[in-house]
Formats: sequence, C-alpha cells, structure tokens
Amino acid sequence: DSGVTQTPKHLITATGQRVTLRCSPRSGDLSVYWYQQSLDQGLQFLIQYYNGEERAKGNILERFSAQQFPDLHSELNLSSLELGDSALYFCASSVKVMNTEAFFGQGTRLTVV
Amino acid sequence: GDSVTQMEGPVTLSEEAFLTINCTYTATGYPSLFWYVQYPGEGLQLLLKATKADDKGSNKGFEATYRKETTSFHLEKGSVQVSDSAVYFCALSIRSGGSYIPTFGRGTSLIVHP
Repeated sequence: DSGVTQTPKHLITATGQRVTLRCSPRSGDLSVYWYQQSLDQGLQFLIQYYNGEERAKGNILERFSAQQFPDLHSELNLSSLELGDSALYFCASSVKVMNTEAFFGQGTRLTVV
Repeated sequence: GDSVTQMEGPVTLSEEAFLTINCTYTATGYPSLFWYVQYPGEGLQLLLKATKADDKGSNKGFEATYRKETTSFHLEKGSVQVSDSAVYFCALSIRSGGSYIPTFGRGTSLIVHP
C-alpha cells in the first residue's frame, strides 16, 4: 500500500459527459502529479500541484482541469469526454518538488462509451 | 529534451533465467534515475533508484547501475521468478521550471514461465 488513495476505481460514462477523479496523497506529501496511461501513449504526465499551487503542466487537454485543495487532496476534472479519453488515470505524490521518487495510487479506470 | 528509452517487450523468460532490461537516457544535467514496477491491476511502485553516476540501486534481487559514460541504467536480476512477471518502467526526473517531473519510458512487459 503506497498510501495514495484514488477514487473511484472504475468509472463508465458516456461521450460528452463530465467526471471528477479524486486523489488523496500520502500523509505529509505536498506534491501531487496526475498521469494518463493508455496502451498507445504509455504513461503521460498531465499536471502537477504543490501545496495548492499549479507547478507544472504536461500534455493536458483544455477539456481537462485539476486543483489541489487546502487539505492537499486533488481532483482531476475531465469534461466533454470523448472515446479516446478512455484510459487509466493515476495520481502520484511526493514530499517535495525536487529530484525524488513518486508514490502512485492504484488508478482510476475510465471507460467512455 | 530529456527523456528515457527502454527496450520494447514483451520479454519472455523461464524461471531462474537471467534478466536484463535496457534503459538509456538523455539529460542535460545529472538527474536521479529510477526503475518502477507495475503488477497487473495496480499502480506503479518504486523498485530501485540511483542518484548519481556510478551509484548502484538494488532491491529484491534487482540491480541497476547509473552509467554516465554510456548514459544507461539497465535493470538486471540473476534469477527471475514467476512472481516477477510485471511491467517495468525506467524513469528520470525532468526539470520543468522550478519543479521536477517523474518521466517514464514506455514500459517493458516481463513474462516469466515456470
């Protein structure tokens, strides 16, 4: 158990809909990362927050947004969903933003039908 | 830009065989290097790491040495078990502004047969 909790584990929704994925980082970790894992693209970095502030952005679509709350949990919002958004979405956390390892949750499997 | 490249899989071995999964990196600085493992239905978990040149990371019989001269961080294990079947990811932290982002290779699937 990494200490990172993601909910829900599975999500099935229709095209055009909006969903929210939730992540609770390890106790004491201030940095949260979101990744998308698909068979053809591998593990793609989406966005990072540190202590409530956005710190880095990767290949995140404009239809996607995220935030980190004062209690350090984070949410990833995906809107106007398309079939191609079906993937595993992982949250990871680390103590700081420096050159260190990240601890991953078990992921949310999103299926868009 | 900074990146990692790892060998494509799947790698299929018999139990007790020797394992090597190749990983090379491109980096402007001296990043820490990592191997993560993903078991079916689970998230990634750190297997080992090395923070500077010539460091050897090791864990659960797996080893990797940070080779600056060949920009490599190959994963090895002397005798694999069926329970080692998983996907292995090489990674480094890439600097992005004032932050470091763990960045992963495409992953190498390992299948170990009894």
